[in-house]
Amino acid sequence: SSEVTQGPAVSVELGQTVTITCQGDSLRTHLASWYQQRPGQAPTLVIYGKNNRPSGIPDRFSGSTSGTTASLTIIGAQAEDEADYYCASRDSSVNHLHVLFGGGTKVTVL
Amino acid sequence: EVQLVQSGAEMRKPGESLKISCKGSGFTFASYWIAWVRQMPGKGLEWMGIIYPVDSDTRYNPSFQGQVTISVDRSISTAYLQWSSLKASDTATYYCARPSHSTGPFDYWGQGTLVAVSS
Repeated sequence: SSEVTQGPAVSVELGQTVTITCQGDSLRTHLASWYQQRPGQAPTLVIYGKNNRPSGIPDRFSGSTSGTTASLTIIGAQAEDEADYYCASRDSSVNHLHVLFGGGTKVTVL
Repeated sequence: EVQLVQSGAEMRKPGESLKISCKGSGFTFASYWIAWVRQMPGKGLEWMGIIYPVDSDTRYNPSFQGQVTISVDRSISTAYLQWSSLKASDTATYYCARPSHSTGPFDYWGQGTLVAVSS
């Protein structure tokens, strides 16, 4: 089966911009979704599709894809954005319902 | 309000069986697939499998096939994840999650069930 990979950690100054990436062959044909997980909490969806935000997600979160790389950008990072972020994609090599999660990127807001 | 409410934390010994649950409300349960996701301590998310309540069509991550059983009781809007013989390596938090459609993103998550397996 395929896999999607993420860098382990990034840090960002309060109010600055940070981009985290997710790479995998599946992203060439399946759009990524992104999940935020704060310590001790369940994941929540922050970006899906080409660049869609669920209701309640601030517009400082945005997503994009180029080739086999998906990106999540936070413009003007806030203290509450400190969390683990996971990308997810479909793995058609198994079946169209199979989901691949990246290993997660820890975002620290300084 | 859409909610997925999971059963409480469990402690078991290796070799014991266990069934945890995920009850949906605020939406037409039968119309949505329900997935299970594992998170081992300090680790990332792993998709285990998914079930469709209408016909119990179930798909497993090959890594979990034969290790767990996913089932559903449509009459009480509840999905289940069960083990027949737990191992210490099954210690993890397990989440149920609802995709917006069969191949959609997981727009709702349960609060998680911690399963601790130790002798």
